[in-house]
Amino acid sequence: AQTVTQSQPEMSVQEAETVTLSCTYDTSESDYYLFWYKQPPSRQMILVIRQEAYKQQNATENRFSVNFQKAAKSFSLKISDSQLGDAAMYFCAYTGGGTSYGKLTFGQGTILTVHP
Amino acid sequence: NAGVTQTPKFQVLKTGQSMTLQCAQDMNHEYMSWYRQDPGMGLRLIHYSVGAGITDQGEVPNGYNVSRSTTEDFPLRLLSAAPSQTSVYFCASSSPSGRAGEQFFGPGTRLTVL
Repeated sequence: AQTVTQSQPEMSVQEAETVTLSCTYDTSESDYYLFWYKQPPSRQMILVIRQEAYKQQNATENRFSVNFQKAAKSFSLKISDSQLGDAAMYFCAYTGGGTSYGKLTFGQGTILTVHP
Repeated sequence: NAGVTQTPKFQVLKTGQSMTLQCAQDMNHEYMSWYRQDPGMGLRLIHYSVGAGITDQGEVPNGYNVSRSTTEDFPLRLLSAAPSQTSVYFCASSSPSGRAGEQFFGPGTRLTVL
């Protein structure tokens, strides 16, 4: 079974600074996708960024980027120029291809606090 | 498009009561899922469906039933609620023809079982 581990229960960052959230995963599949979801106090799950395992290039979405290390099974999220609105719970998630497609496995989450 | 909708938003039950959490999507997605979110554990998959008439168990299926009679709806039934089922429940949908792996989540239902 696949597992996703987020070893940082809480992180904090100063506004305008950069922060990196860590995620490791374990899988025997070769075809899979990785995600970072943001959950603000409203509880809504918001997709931040996604990475296909077959792509070597790290995904980037505006101020958000990932460091995908496939051999090490590591998938960290970097938030640049942090804003107060970035404060939320962040979840790393995994889904496989084929029959595993669409079934997400989540990490435990990291609470991000942004200080003004 | 309304996306994924869930009702109710909040619910309090007594142990042993039954209820159905409703989930609907208007994006014609084939795949629909139910997750529960507990403190310190992230979200865990309860049940899953790849189309009308086809369902499968996830990581934590015990105490829950599902059926999928239409593409749009995927209700989650609690037959005899237990305090261990106190949680926040999310429904999600996706399509294999969309951006690979991307799931769309409903707003969640907070359930308390006394």
